[in-house]
Amino acid sequence: AQSVTQLDSHVSVSEGTPVLLRCNYSSSYSPSLFWYVQHPNKGLQLLLKYTSAATLVKGINGFEAEFKKSETSFHLTKPSAHMSDAAEYFCVVSRYNQGGKLIFGQGTELSVKP
Amino acid sequence: GAGVSQTPSNKVTEKGKYVELRCDPISGHTALYWYRQSLGQGPEFLIYFQGTGAADDSGLPNDRFFAVRPEGSVSTLKIQRTERGDSAVYLCASSPRATNTGELFFGEGSRLTVL
Repeated sequence: AQSVTQLDSHVSVSEGTPVLLRCNYSSSYSPSLFWYVQHPNKGLQLLLKYTSAATLVKGINGFEAEFKKSETSFHLTKPSAHMSDAAEYFCVVSRYNQGGKLIFGQGTELSVKP
Repeated sequence: GAGVSQTPSNKVTEKGKYVELRCDPISGHTALYWYRQSLGQGPEFLIYFQGTGAADDSGLPNDRFFAVRPEGSVSTLKIQRTERGDSAVYLCASSPRATNTGELFFGEGSRLTVL
């Protein structure tokens, strides 16, 4: 079975400070992992993906995530938060060999203070 | 259109009524997915179409839920005898083909409220 756990339901940072959104996964197989972002009244958008190539994955808008097998983690980071980063972020794992059947975490709401 | 289009964006109905939600995928995308997102939760998989056929409907919660894609493009999610627990945002996504990369293109969703 595969699952993801997002360790924080809400994270608040100040503009210009680093962002860390935490995610742990459970998978019987070598997982494919993703981060999706959902801005208010917008569709979910793929931020980045890990599919067993480089363990440090770079995504859009300056975000990156590191796959750590020993820690079963896939945390999302950004060096400097921008007001436009305020959104809901989902850590996602896909079912083995069924890439479109995604298993979402419960989400982390990111707030960015001026 | 440029993206996945879903209509209506909002639907309020009474318990026991029948509801249809429509999804127009990105042109040329053969794979289409329906997900349901309840308040405070991540989206959950409902059903997946490859072309006209439902390749996997294992996520449909019960037989009140049904989806079709008769011409391999537009899809309709149908809910019979709606219940208050069906209230959620119903998301549609498409991809160029059955994907193993997990990259789906999502619409903005149809918010269903059952009174």
